Amino acid sequence: GQNIDQPTEMTATEGAIVQINCTYQTSGFNGLFWYQQHAGEAPTFLSYNVLDGLEEKGRFSSFLSRSKGYSYLLLKELQMKDSASYLCAVVNSNYQLIWGAGTKLIIKP
Amino acid sequence: IAGITQAPTSQILAAGRRMTLRCTQDMRHNAMYWYRQDLGLGLRLIHYSNTAGTTGKGEVPDGYSVSRANTDDFPLTLASAVPSQTSVYFCASSDDSLNSYNEQFFGPGTRLTVL
Repeated sequence: GQNIDQPTEMTATEGAIVQINCTYQTSGFNGLFWYQQHAGEAPTFLSYNVLDGLEEKGRFSSFLSRSKGYSYLLLKELQMKDSASYLCAVVNSNYQLIWGAGTKLIIKP
Repeated sequence: IAGITQAPTSQILAAGRRMTLRCTQDMRHNAMYWYRQDLGLGLRLIHYSNTAGTTGKGEVPDGYSVSRANTDDFPLTLASAVPSQTSVYFCASSDDSLNSYNEQFFGPGTRLTVL
């Protein structure tokens, strides 16, 4: 079967750094997406990785290791508005997105 | 219209009733998708369409049907609603579904309650 694992919930402090992990087992791999979803809203695109390594975009970075079936999203200088769920999704061999259940990130002052 | 719109925003429906959720996009995207999102579960694909005139079944298609008569519209129909179909439904679109870079853009969602 196909499986995406993420922690259910994480808590961090405003101004700090947090790393959200995602491990996957899918039928083939054609890339990995991270999306952000605020409560009651639609998911929005954050990042895409298809090659191993780190992709940096402002306060957010995403890392991929295809050999380990592993990715993480790194959020720096946390702000209260970063409180949201973060969804990991893998593009499988049929070019379909397989979604994790999401990690709810709670930011405390 | 900018992006993807969905209607209605929310709906309470009696079991056994027929319901159509509407989705319209103005980005001229080829591919469109319907997902349901339930607490503790990831987004699950119900049906998809790679291009106008074609549709396909996703992970959880039973009890749902779709049509894609043109590029912009992709309605989802529940023929006879059941309480297990209570969920938040998201419509999404992407430029090219048969590409590894398949960024999907989501509508605001429809919250459906079946009693």
